[in-house]
Amino acid sequence: DAGITQSPRYKITETGRQVTLMCHQTWSHSYMFWYRQDLGHGLRLIYYSAAADITDKGEVPDGYVVSRSKTENFPLTLESATRSQTSVYFCASSEVGARGSEAFFGQGTRLTVV
Amino acid sequence: DAKTTQPTSMDCAEGRAANLPCNHSTISGNEYVYWYRQIHSQGPQYIIHGLKNNETNEMASLIITEDRKSSTLILPHATLRDTAVYYCILNAGGTSYGKLTFGQGTILTVHP
Repeated sequence: DAGITQSPRYKITETGRQVTLMCHQTWSHSYMFWYRQDLGHGLRLIYYSAAADITDKGEVPDGYVVSRSKTENFPLTLESATRSQTSVYFCASSEVGARGSEAFFGQGTRLTVV
Repeated sequence: DAKTTQPTSMDCAEGRAANLPCNHSTISGNEYVYWYRQIHSQGPQYIIHGLKNNETNEMASLIITEDRKSSTLILPHATLRDTAVYYCILNAGGTSYGKLTFGQGTILTVHP
């Protein structure tokens, strides 16, 4: 199916465990992003990628690792999950446009760290 | 990117136009005004964006003042499905391309 998909949709993990959230887009967009949204707050940028093998930190990168070996995939790894990382995680993609461009968001992954 | 100010919440009757204001008095010349919305628990959805001219698409209209210090998103005939949080965001592109800074947004409630 065309679009941007995240998996899993829901995840419960224990403190200290490593967990990877997956993001896949079918448009071959250059840019991909990871945001987190805590209860009652707006989204905050964790990491972004301008192209395959190019990634950079956003506003709240600590405790997260990303990679982008293929244009269509942008996994987010929590190396040692903490309760403060309980959140809803959104992946997005976009392409550079001469007049700006819209970002397309996935449906989110709800992560609970217990 | 410069900051935006939006009302915390607004109400609108179904079928009427919803006019959502946004102040961005420190906007830079190369910053676009973007509007996104987030319906409960879903990923944000792009609505419209513009630089200095008014814009219209199938979802909404965007009116930007001549001095670009404020803008208004207009949903011409609001429906119950338009109930959502609406975010006004500035983004310049270049090194900040696509890195959206979400504020608290405006909670729009459309009533029957």
